[in-house]
Amino acid sequence: DQQVKQNSPSLSVQEGRISILNCDYTNSMFDYFLWYKKYPAEGPTFLISISSIKDKNEDGRFTVFLNKSAKHLSLHIVPSQPGDSAVYFCAASSFGNEKLTFGTGTRLTIIP
Amino acid sequence: NAGVTQTPKFRVLKTGQSMTLLCAQDMNHEYMYWYRQDPGMGLRLIHYSVGEGTTAKGEVPDGYNVSRLKKQNFLLGLESAAPSQTSVYFCASRLDGTDTQYFGPGTRLTVL
Repeated sequence: DQQVKQNSPSLSVQEGRISILNCDYTNSMFDYFLWYKKYPAEGPTFLISISSIKDKNEDGRFTVFLNKSAKHLSLHIVPSQPGDSAVYFCAASSFGNEKLTFGTGTRLTIIP
Repeated sequence: NAGVTQTPKFRVLKTGQSMTLLCAQDMNHEYMYWYRQDPGMGLRLIHYSVGEGTTAKGEVPDGYNVSRLKKQNFLLGLESAAPSQTSVYFCASRLDGTDTQYFGPGTRLTVL
């Protein structure tokens, strides 16, 4: 049972436009959410996170929105740049749990 | 700081051979994790450790063993490799009290 779902395997966006990556979860115990970015032949790197007590967290061009009632979060990248082309993983954890549960990833391609 | 390092970067095994993957971190993190990444499957947790001398099973532990004899090292062993273990393996570590995991660069393993 996939508790964290990224239903779009791929997404293409024009450079300078907004990229929106989506993530849904089923476990209501999840209270902390993270986005990781992965380039080919490298390990995932932490991008941004959000606690369930917030509905938005912003860091430069990256903003994560959390809708707890819908069990949905999204990552907005604006403006999109060629260096943003990568695979993005959504991950979730719950208080007291040592583990993260990852989604299957979305490959973002920024078109120059 | 080197962060999280993994040895080797690439390896080709024949079915039935054994090998050990080494993960080292210099951030004094208590928690360490081994994941495998397969196309369309995201990151799946194999085993993890909450501290020196401890190990625990993750989502897909069969066919793997681990040891955490020193705080900075986490070893993943394959006793009898199978083609189904062809994958990219990532190690990660985390500081107690935080949620963010830091990943190594990965080991690409092919079992023929």
